[in-house]
Amino acid sequence: GQNIDQPTEMTATEGAIVQINCTYQTSGFNGLFWYQQHAGEAPTFLSYNVLDGLEEKGRFSSFLSRSKGYSYLLLKELQMKDSASYLCAVRKRGGNTPLVFGKGTRLSVIA
Amino acid sequence: GAVVSQHPSRVICKSGTSVKIECRSLDFQATTMFWYRQFPKQSLMLMATSNEGSKATYEQGVEKDKFLINHASLTLSTLTVTSAHPEDSSFYICSSFTGPYEQYFGPGTRLTVT
Repeated sequence: GQNIDQPTEMTATEGAIVQINCTYQTSGFNGLFWYQQHAGEAPTFLSYNVLDGLEEKGRFSSFLSRSKGYSYLLLKELQMKDSASYLCAVRKRGGNTPLVFGKGTRLSVIA
Repeated sequence: GAVVSQHPSRVICKSGTSVKIECRSLDFQATTMFWYRQFPKQSLMLMATSNEGSKATYEQGVEKDKFLINHASLTLSTLTVTSAHPEDSSFYICSSFTGPYEQYFGPGTRLTVT
């Protein structure tokens, strides 16, 4: 099975930078994904990493180290609208395999 | 990105009745659809994987006779919650993918069983 861990809650200040960590244990790794989810809504895709290194997309960046089973999501220039849950998910190798999600990190952005 | 729709978005039903949730892929053919359930302040838990034209695969602990999944076409998968009970109240979300790294979610269905 997979074991995915991320902090339950985080608080950060508007305009600041926050890093949300995720560690995982899985057999047959085929990608790590980050999703944003606002309360009562479906998750929206932020990024994925399949190779080691940093992927940057505007204010969001995601990093992966496969040897360490570790990823982080970096959010820069935080805005109030970034207050949401951030879900780390892993896909196993193979055809038609689903994403398995961590418990999510609830981020509160304060003024 | 690809579009996945779900209907209804919200449903309230009485205990003991059945509820059908539809999930459609609007601009791609979904040979596989994943069904997730999410309780308040918890993460998404995979319930089952449905494949067009074959039986669904259920995760451990999910009753296949209670959560009936049908995937009769490449654009439609349905989840029927049979004999619903208050503990089945949850947010149900379907999802499919268009490539190895592109998975898209429907908007979700909020089920409340009274």
